[in-house]
Amino acid sequence: NAGVMQNPRHLVRRRGQEARLRCSPMKGHSHVYWYRQLPEEGLKFMVYLQKENIIDESGMPKERFSAEFPKEGPSILRIQQVVRGDSAAYFCASSPDRGPQHFGDGTRLSIL
Amino acid sequence: GESVGLHLPTLSVQEGDNSIINCAYSNSASDYFIWYKQESGKGPQFIIDIRSNMDKRQGQRVTVLLNKTVKHLSLQIAATQPGDSAVYFCAENIEGDAGNMLTFGGGTRLMVKP
Repeated sequence: NAGVMQNPRHLVRRRGQEARLRCSPMKGHSHVYWYRQLPEEGLKFMVYLQKENIIDESGMPKERFSAEFPKEGPSILRIQQVVRGDSAAYFCASSPDRGPQHFGDGTRLSIL
Repeated sequence: GESVGLHLPTLSVQEGDNSIINCAYSNSASDYFIWYKQESGKGPQFIIDIRSNMDKRQGQRVTVLLNKTVKHLSLQIAATQPGDSAVYFCAENIEGDAGNMLTFGGGTRLMVKP
């Protein structure tokens, strides 16, 4: 029973490029969450999605960041025109309705 | 003992001893709490959870205690092993809240000396 799958594990982008991070939830989980983590800090909530719906995006920056969870395929976190401050680890979690959230191993984004 | 490091507080324990990791949560409306373990280069791994209608819950080698009066949560690990070395985070949530987001504490690094 595969866990939450994220890819790529590491992503390097130059300033101004776009970054696309993908997340496949655990089988049977219909709720997806994205979090961001800086070194030596806890995770910070970004967005909560169900299939084809954004439920809560209160933690997402208003510009350059977007997320989707289409009917078919993985959830995507998209960062346009990346800047150095976007460098971080981005984690995806999934849950069955209100159960505990289970996390993937993250994508480490580095901006040159 | 417990010490404050540059960013993360660190708890050093001898292998075989019991560990107690503490967490103060922020929102008195929170009614669901989770402890996660995070190893280097990996995502947070679920350890144990507890709802606010309980004050204690036990798992395999782990116990979570909840004191709602002082908004305090603790994780006890019995007979700590080298494989327990990691950063531990508590997280809180309001289950009835449509947002369903987890709010994470700052984390504690557990170092187990062989």
